[in-house]
Amino acid sequence: DVKVTQSSRYLVKRTGEKVFLECVQDMDHENMFWYRQDPGLGLRLIYFSYDVKMKEKGDIPEGYSVSREKKERFSLILESASTNQTSMYLCASSSSGAGAKNIQYFGAGTRLSVL
Amino acid sequence: AQSVSQHNHHVILSEAASLELGCNYSYGGTVNLFWYVQYPGQHLQLLLKYFSGDPLVKGIKGFEAEFIKSKFSFNLRKPSVQWSDTAEYFCAVNAKQAGTALIFGKGTTLSVSS
Repeated sequence: DVKVTQSSRYLVKRTGEKVFLECVQDMDHENMFWYRQDPGLGLRLIYFSYDVKMKEKGDIPEGYSVSREKKERFSLILESASTNQTSMYLCASSSSGAGAKNIQYFGAGTRLSVL
Repeated sequence: AQSVSQHNHHVILSEAASLELGCNYSYGGTVNLFWYVQYPGQHLQLLLKYFSGDPLVKGIKGFEAEFIKSKFSFNLRKPSVQWSDTAEYFCAVNAKQAGTALIFGKGTTLSVSS
C-alpha cells in the first residue's frame, strides 16, 4: 500500500511564526501536492511538485512556499503564519508511470491552528 | 476556468434510502474523474475512478458512478445507503497528462440516520 505520512496531526502556532509541515511518501512517486481543506470550500491546491527541486504554484500559493530536496519529501512552509491560515492541510502523491492513471494518494492531514 | 461543481452541500437520508450525488465539471480537454470519500476522523480515500471505456464504473462499498460526457457529469450513486456511509464526498477531475493536480468540488456531507 502507498503510504503518505504527514509529520503532525495537530499543530498550534502563533501569528508570525514560521511553520513547517512535512510530508513523506514511500512509493517513489514523482509528483507531490499540498492542498488545504476548509469547510464549504473543498480542497484547494497550494503548490505541487513533479520532480525534485521543481515546484509549481497552485490556486492559492500566497503566504506559502515549498521545498523538495529529496524525492520522497515535500515540505510546506508558512513564512509568517496568520490566523487565516488556520486550516486542514493535506499532502498527496502520485506516480507519473504509464499505468498510474494520475491517482493521488493522501496523507491523514495536519490540522493547523494559528492563534 | 476549470471547475467542479457538486450540487448538494448536505444530504440527509435514512438507512436503505437510495443516494445520488451530483457532480458537473468544466475542463477543456479529456479528463480523469474521481470520487473521494472522507469518513469522520479519517483521511481522504479513493472511492472510484473513471479513465476511459465503460462510463458506468463501480467502486468500493457498493458505490457506482456514471460518466455522461455530453452533460459533463459524473454522478455518484448507491441503491441503499447504510449508517456507515456517513461521510464527506468529493468529486474531482484532472487532465490525463501525468502529474497534473486534482480540481475538487466543494464536497457533499452525507448524514445517514439509522
